[in-house]
Amino acid sequence: NAGVTQTPKFQVLKTGQSMTLQCAQDMNHNSMYWYRQDPGMGLRLIYYSASEGTTDKGEVPNGYNVSRLNKREFSLRLESAAPSQTSVYFCVICGQGAYEQYFGPGTRLTVT
Amino acid sequence: ELKVEQNPLFLSMQEGKNYTIYCNYSTTSDRLYWYRQDPGKSLESLFVLLSNGAVKQEGRLMASLDTKARLSTLHITAAVHDLSATYFCAVERWTSGSRLTFGEGTQLTVNP
Repeated sequence: NAGVTQTPKFQVLKTGQSMTLQCAQDMNHNSMYWYRQDPGMGLRLIYYSASEGTTDKGEVPNGYNVSRLNKREFSLRLESAAPSQTSVYFCVICGQGAYEQYFGPGTRLTVT
Repeated sequence: ELKVEQNPLFLSMQEGKNYTIYCNYSTTSDRLYWYRQDPGKSLESLFVLLSNGAVKQEGRLMASLDTKARLSTLHITAAVHDLSATYFCAVERWTSGSRLTFGEGTQLTVNP
């Protein structure tokens, strides 16, 4: 996971609370992604940012907002957390035209 | 809508045996990836397959791609306990950025 950091690593929220997951990279790549991983379902794309200043919805965007603060940072916000958002969240970096993706260490979120 | 299916989802095998994990996908794609995930950890990139007939090998793992059949395989030769993990395939499509669609994952357990 060198070059991709996520904070926090763990978080417990109550239903209705809000929080922001942070992702930062030091690889100077353009594309950044947020995925969630649920048991038995693989990873699903929430939002992505192909470059600074742009964001697009993925497969499961409802209940989330994102912000591409600058080239290094991409944040994911839960405005009103729900138990269905209990998951592991991964930030992924992809270089333009590159064949590899770089996965962050993940944030384990529990909503009670 | 792109769908990616893996089988089997669970695989328990003995050390020294061979086995194959299958990954089927529903529409044309740009690239196909295989990842490994250990419990509680992030994903580790194993292989990227770029074109029809591509074959990649690393140690006891070999991946292949048949784009006409929309099928990739991950073959395990003479399994060892250290290969126990969950393996994911993911299909990439470029639409204003790389978008990965993951299979459900195959949980592999190698028993002594």
